[in-house]
Amino acid sequence: DEQLVESGGGLVQPGGSLRLSCAASGFTFKSYWMHWVRQAPGKGLVWVSRISTDGTNTAYADYVKGRFTISRDNVKNTLYLQMNSLRAEDTAVYYCARDFNNWYVRTLGGQGTLVTVSS
Amino acid sequence: QSALTQPPSASGSPGQSVTISCTGTSSDVGGYNYVSWYQQHPGKAPKLMIYAVSKRPSGVPDRFSGSKSGNTASLTVSGLQAEDEADYYCGSYAGSNNLLFGGGTKLTVL
Repeated sequence: DEQLVESGGGLVQPGGSLRLSCAASGFTFKSYWMHWVRQAPGKGLVWVSRISTDGTNTAYADYVKGRFTISRDNVKNTLYLQMNSLRAEDTAVYYCARDFNNWYVRTLGGQGTLVTVSS
Repeated sequence: QSALTQPPSASGSPGQSVTISCTGTSSDVGGYNYVSWYQQHPGKAPKLMIYAVSKRPSGVPDRFSGSKSGNTASLTVSGLQAEDEADYYCGSYAGSNNLLFGGGTKLTVL
């Protein structure tokens, strides 16, 4: 079965850093663009970032530019999100998602990983 | 950029049809045919239901349909079933490598 499993979330203080991981299995990971999408508690979905198949092309939402970095390891079949200078408003469940037909996202049922930014 | 605008709630009885709107601008919904809809049950990850305005991924029932007119996209769920009760989010490419989502609509099956 195609699967995405996120990990790395937790409690971090404002200004701190965290690296999220997303392990892919059941499909050819290196063939797909990938995304991160987040959802604050009780709120809607918000797109965070996208990366190309070879990792050379990246895009970010304005509110994370300069603070977050998306990357991937096509040998380990893993997607990453390095988050620096974290703010309270970054508190959310972070989902990784596979690109579908360009700018559509499929989470493949992953449960996401919760990031809580608080002192 | 601001999120796309959706009504906070919608409802219908089993067997009925319900339509959820998603209003954007000419820079997103109105400017591209990259409109999508996602279904999210409580505690679960969102699931892609509609893409490219009106196309359904494999496995999505044909009770779900999408359309667009100007800056407003719509999702229609026909023959409502209890399992359709969920939150629904629209999405649209907004240019400059940016993806916008709506604020979400809670669909209640009465």
